[in-house]
This record gives sequence, C-alpha cells and structure tokens, in this order.
Amino acid sequence: LAKTTQPISMDSYEGQEVNITCSHNNIATNDYITWYQQFPSQGPRFIIQGYKTKVTNEVASLFIPADRKSSTLSLPRVSLSDTAVYYCLVGDIPNDMRFGAGTRLTVKP
Amino acid sequence: DVKVTQSSRYLVKRTGEKVFLECVQDMDHENMFWYRQDPGLGLRLIYFSYDVKMKEKGDIPEGYSVSREKKERFSLILESASTNQTSMYLCASSFEGGLAGEYSYNEQFFGPGTRLTVL
Repeated sequence: LAKTTQPISMDSYEGQEVNITCSHNNIATNDYITWYQQFPSQGPRFIIQGYKTKVTNEVASLFIPADRKSSTLSLPRVSLSDTAVYYCLVGDIPNDMRFGAGTRLTVKP
Repeated sequence: DVKVTQSSRYLVKRTGEKVFLECVQDMDHENMFWYRQDPGLGLRLIYFSYDVKMKEKGDIPEGYSVSREKKERFSLILESASTNQTSMYLCASSFEGGLAGEYSYNEQFFGPGTRLTVL
C-alpha cells in the first residue's frame, strides 16, 4: 500500500489560498491520487483526482510534479465553510487505497 | 444523485449483544465498504466487497463480519459487541473502476454514518 504523509492541521483566514501538500514516496506507476473532504458529522466527499501535472475543477486544483512523489491540493479563496478534514489517498479502489488521519483545516474570520 | 443510506444514525448496545449495521446504495455500484472512524485515527477499512457474496478483509476485520446477499445491500455484523467497538461506522460504495459517466475513477460515495455506543 502506498503510504501518504500530510500535515495534521493547518490554519488559514477567509479569502486566502490554502495549499495542502501530501507526500507519497512509494507511489506505484498506475496509482491515482485522490483527495476527499470531510465535514463534522458527515461522511467524506470526493473533491478531486489526478494522475500527473495539474487538474482543476470548480472546487479545487491538484498539482502533481513529474516524479509524482507528492501532490498539493489548492483551495482558492477559502471561506469559513471550507473548515474540514482533507484526506489524500493514493492507489486504486478497492484493494489498496486507504484513508489516513487527514489534515484538519481551520478557516478563521 | 447517488444515495447511500445507513439503517441508523445512532445506536446504543450492550456488551455481548449481536449488532447489525445495514447499508444500502441505489447506484448499482459493484464495490461496497465498511469503515470505522475514531478521533485521531482517520478512517480505517474493516471490510469491502466487490461483488455479491464476495468479501475481502480490510485492515481491522477482527471482531466483525459482513454479508452481501444483494448488490445494493452490505451489512456489517458485530457478533459480540465490545466497548472498544464504540465508534462511528461509515459505509461507502463505488463503481468497479474507470470512468463511469460523470463519476471519476476511485470515487467513493459515503453514507451519513452510524454512531455506535457499546455500554
């Protein structure tokens, strides 16, 4: 299983851009990188997925360098409602994709 | 919209009781999962199923069993509940893999969770 390492927590202020970096040094050639968001008392929700370079959707951007040993989730202009836990996952479901402890993002006014 | 439902939002049971947690999905997904979530530990995979009557152990299967008799339903069973099984239990489902219409590869859809307390 590809192991991921991400910060336990981060603080930000409304309107700022937030970048959360995840390390995955032993990522396999066929592995995708997937990020989820979890609000309190809810199940996680898929945000974005990528394999290489940059992926952007209406919620976030995902930057993946050429060596794919890390990835950065970028949230533009965060608001209080972006306060959540963000999980970085590497691998394929169902066999080898696992959630870690995630990064707890707190957005302050 | 994909919908994953769980039978109970909150459940209180006594030590030694047999507990059934039910999960139903309405998107004809092949894969279904059971996780537990505890503070500071993230989500840990208990079991998953990739087809009817098929099951695979996750990372923490001890003390649990599962049943998948129909494609849409995946049950988690605690044969003899213990206090260390007090936790939030989350069910999820996904397509087998690859792009499926508007849904991405590796996208899991989660239910609202069942908070189980074992006294």
